Amino acid sequence: QQQVKQSPQSLIVQKGGISIINCAYENTAFDYFPWYQQFPGKGPALLIAIRPDVSEKKEGRFTISFNKSAKQFSLHIMDSQPGDSATYFCAASSHSGGYQKVTFGTGTKLQVIP
Amino acid sequence: GAVVSQHPSRVICKSGTSVKIECRSLDFQATTMFWYRQFPKQSLMLMATSNEGSKATYEQGVEKDKFLINHASLTLSTLTVTSAHPEDSSFYICSAPKATRGEKLFFGSGTQLSVL
Repeated sequence: QQQVKQSPQSLIVQKGGISIINCAYENTAFDYFPWYQQFPGKGPALLIAIRPDVSEKKEGRFTISFNKSAKQFSLHIMDSQPGDSATYFCAASSHSGGYQKVTFGTGTKLQVIP
Repeated sequence: GAVVSQHPSRVICKSGTSVKIECRSLDFQATTMFWYRQFPKQSLMLMATSNEGSKATYEQGVEKDKFLINHASLTLSTLTVTSAHPEDSSFYICSAPKATRGEKLFFGSGTQLSVL
């Protein structure tokens, strides 16, 4: 059962454009929603995260929009740059057994073309 | 940010041999570490949760005798792939929260295992 669904699978955006990646979740126990950026051959790195009591969070060119009632959240990358080309994973986590258990989306490969 | 070091970054081995992967938290203590497996162009699949001083917790479908986990200290967890076969070839990644119940995960750089 895929608890966190992510789309699109791949995305090509022109430099300066807006990249939008969407995720949907099912488990209402999730209480933390991070986004990770992964370059080829490297481990993921935390990009930005949001809690369900907030509808939007912005850090630089990256914005998370969160819709609790729809159980959906999205990442917007403004003024996309070639250096943003990477795979992005949304995730959702909840406390389980004394620690935070994270479920990852399926990933979106973003390519920003000059 | 916190640093998690993973070693080796790449390993090629013959079928039937065992391979050990190390995951170290360099600037914080990690009582819990997580091990993932990632196939090409796919998501990270949690394999097991490593707990310092106690047995690891394995996800459903993961063979604990195949993937041995040892968390001997507050800064080191190891994953040993025993009697590796070509189907074990994958990208293995570890992560650790800076606090036991911490939400932010810090990932190692991953280990590409190729079994011939």
